[in-house]
Amino acid sequence: QKEVEQDPGPLSVPEGAIVSLNCTYSNSAFQYFMWYRQYSRKGPELLMYTYSSGNKEDGRFTAQVDKSSKYISLFIRDSQPSDSATYLCAMRANTGNQFYFGTGTSLTVIP
Amino acid sequence: ETGVTQTPRHLVMGMTNKKSLKCEQHLGHNAMYWYKQSAKKPLELMFVYNFKEQTENNSVPSRFSPECPNSSHLFLHLHTLQPEDSALYLCASSQVVAGDTDTQYFGPGTRLTVL
Repeated sequence: QKEVEQDPGPLSVPEGAIVSLNCTYSNSAFQYFMWYRQYSRKGPELLMYTYSSGNKEDGRFTAQVDKSSKYISLFIRDSQPSDSATYLCAMRANTGNQFYFGTGTSLTVIP
Repeated sequence: ETGVTQTPRHLVMGMTNKKSLKCEQHLGHNAMYWYKQSAKKPLELMFVYNFKEQTENNSVPSRFSPECPNSSHLFLHLHTLQPEDSALYLCASSQVVAGDTDTQYFGPGTRLTVL
């Protein structure tokens, strides 16, 4: 079983839609959860960084962590064509610096 | 320069060539990483350096040889590569304090093609 599972998509939505991206994981030791956005031919850039369970909001982006279900989500409100990218989830345990990544979900927002 | 930079951005090499990838971080971090990114696969961690010392080597073939001369610079020396080594090679850095790390910041990557 993979440490982190993420549906690769592709996901295509109209502009203005609410987008939901998800990852599941198997290691209950994971405590830190991240979402990265990666545009074509670029490196991943950090979008959201959360610790343990709960919600975190930043502008149009909301990250949710449900540790009891080992499930994390990223919601994008009022999606824009500029949100078209691959979204990677990542996570790590409480100590150390080993990060585990999902495969990434490819998102296209159609004008 | 800001953040994490990588050179070259693109590299095409034959199987018998020797080349090097360079990474430099301008964030004052003390840990640096090499990842391999292939289509439809999660990022594969290759090497980790903490305070210039290699702490992880995830069963990477010896045709990949890392070098970390100081906490700001990281190299990946390549020799006798195989076509399946073609991928995007990403460098990242983070700040480690008392064995725990903040999140990672990535460079733009080097797109490597092995003919």
